[in-house]
Amino acid sequence: GAGVSQSPSNKVTEKGKDVELRCDPISGHTALYWYRQSLGQGLEFLIYFQGNSAPDKSGLPSDRFSAERTGGSVSTLTIQRTQQEDSAVYLCASSLQGSGVGGGEKLFFGSGTQLSVL
Amino acid sequence: GENVEQHPSTLSVQEGDSAVIKCTYSDSASNYFPWYKQELGKRPQLIIDIRSNVGEKKDQRIAVTLNKTAKHFSLHITETQPEDSAVYFCAAKKASKIIFGSGTRLSIRP
Repeated sequence: GAGVSQSPSNKVTEKGKDVELRCDPISGHTALYWYRQSLGQGLEFLIYFQGNSAPDKSGLPSDRFSAERTGGSVSTLTIQRTQQEDSAVYLCASSLQGSGVGGGEKLFFGSGTQLSVL
Repeated sequence: GENVEQHPSTLSVQEGDSAVIKCTYSDSASNYFPWYKQELGKRPQLIIDIRSNVGEKKDQRIAVTLNKTAKHFSLHITETQPEDSAVYFCAAKKASKIIFGSGTRLSIRP
């Protein structure tokens, strides 16, 4: 595709429900990142994938959060038993390559999913 | 793990003046330092980056400096214009993990 695509763009859910957020990266990008941005705040690292592997899951806030990536492409971030403090914009980004020299590290961000937990 | 601190959190400068945003990082193994600009309601976009083997890089009105010994890096914007108003994020990368600072909201006064 032309850019990183995220869906849904907005999600309103009730406390205790599960939600799935989807990210479709730029074709050929091997690295994929999930960040969380609360209102007026910075970009909080959640997890990244190199291919289908997630070498570092240390940013996930709790065991209610999980993510997977299949086929080296689409990624899904799942939040179980949502809480009000989960309300934020969830941003996905991809890059041509996650590591190494010579470029390819520029992150291309999606437009995000605005999650509201009532 | 890596921790990136960014200052100031807000910055207001007169149009035409310079703006400086500073960041520090904790992990000496970090080797790549990008800066992203996020305009209101839009997604972050890369504006400039620097690698650990370089001390300074310029791109028109924007420059970034890196002091590896002190683990400091800074963004300098000269001759500021209204379109420079945005939130700026610094970041540090180690291996494939990219950690962002908390952001600086830059306002340009006419």
